[in-house]
Amino acid sequence: DTGVSQDPRHKITKRGQNVTFRCDPISEHNRLYWYRQTLGQGPEFLTYFQNEAQLEKSRLLSDRFSAERPKGSFSTLEIQRTEQGDSAMYLCASSLYIGLETQYFGPGTRLLVL
Amino acid sequence: SQQGEEDPQALSIQEGENATMNCSYKTSINNLQWYRQNSGRGLVHLILIRSNEREKHSGRLRVTLDTSKKSSSLLITASRAADTASYFCATAPRGGSNYKLTFGKGTLLTVNP
Repeated sequence: DTGVSQDPRHKITKRGQNVTFRCDPISEHNRLYWYRQTLGQGPEFLTYFQNEAQLEKSRLLSDRFSAERPKGSFSTLEIQRTEQGDSAMYLCASSLYIGLETQYFGPGTRLLVL
Repeated sequence: SQQGEEDPQALSIQEGENATMNCSYKTSINNLQWYRQNSGRGLVHLILIRSNEREKHSGRLRVTLDTSKKSSSLLITASRAADTASYFCATAPRGGSNYKLTFGKGTLLTVNP
């Protein structure tokens, strides 16, 4: 399967702990996106990479959140000092920039902060 | 913030019937996309319609776009139990940030066998 993969699929942590999620995009895709989805809502944009450059960050991405995409391949999203309000599904997507492009989503990482 | 608003929020139909979901949005768009999400899973892309297109078909799916009314509809014909899922519209804005999809809250479709 050559789709977008995410790891872990589920994460339970205690408030105040740090967590890191990984996303492996479709191999030839140069754009990568992170979204967050809370229960009963649609996904909300967090950040976007073109190759290794992080080109936009949403205001939703507080200072406790950091994302990287070293070498323009996989990406990590780290949340420091987690809070209960961080509980959500974190979705990664990738696309190949050819103008009007489709974003292909991974299965998501469901985070529960106790 | 959510740009799209799907209507209805929930829809329950019998297998074989058609399902129509609507989406309204607020700002000028580059394109509009429909996604499906099974419970607790990632999103599956269904169809993309560009702002200069009015209708598009893909298998049992038909999407219309009315940019003057800032609305779109998704029609699923001859529904199956496997179509049970949440359906989201997502808009890509016109201009430099056309990669930043804004999703609605979704329509939960239940197809009863």
